[in-house]
Amino acid sequence: DGGITQSPKYLFRKEGQNVTLSCEQNLNHDAMYWYRQDPGQGLRLIYYSQIVNDFQKGDIAEGYSVSREKKESFPLTVTSAQKNPTAFYLCASSMGTHDNYGYTFGSGTRLTVV
Amino acid sequence: RKEVEQDPGPFNVPEGATVAFNCTYSNSASQSFFWYRQDCRKEPKLLMSVYSSGNEDGRFTAQLNRASQYISLLIRDSKLSDSATYLCVVKGAGYSTLTFGKGTMLLVSP
Repeated sequence: DGGITQSPKYLFRKEGQNVTLSCEQNLNHDAMYWYRQDPGQGLRLIYYSQIVNDFQKGDIAEGYSVSREKKESFPLTVTSAQKNPTAFYLCASSMGTHDNYGYTFGSGTRLTVV
Repeated sequence: RKEVEQDPGPFNVPEGATVAFNCTYSNSASQSFFWYRQDCRKEPKLLMSVYSSGNEDGRFTAQLNRASQYISLLIRDSKLSDSATYLCVVKGAGYSTLTFGKGTMLLVSP
């Protein structure tokens, strides 16, 4: 079955630590995205990638970094520069940013700062 | 003006009721429109796309009014399992990403 896998499901980070969230898809999608969701808030775009070795900042990229070395993988690093990282992080993919189809989401990672 | 606006609710309805949600969007160049459903502490899942002529999928009907820049979702014969948050989603023209509303919560009671 094709889909998107995010890991871990829950992640705890100490102050000042960098952590990396994994996102892998086997849908053969070109585009991948990272969103953040806070309670009572909509999804906010962090970074997205249209093709391998290329990515663009979204609305809230500060304190985050990404890489896209393989089509299937789009990991997100939450750096110590991100002042309020506790949130629900969602990875998504689509055939491309030019198409008119929706996104497929992974099941998310809940990050908590302890 | 926020890009995609929705009434957060909650909408409390009994089983069997008909309920409607509206959503407005600010970018008149928007090309694609969707409704997603998100269960508590889960990922959003695509419920249906919204087409200019309106479209129906079982108990769900979506409408688009480009002139007024709003989208609606009608749910007939509500089920307990319809309880969720419904996200209005808009895509701009060309190479662009999806913009999500904050969602409208629906609670269906026995």
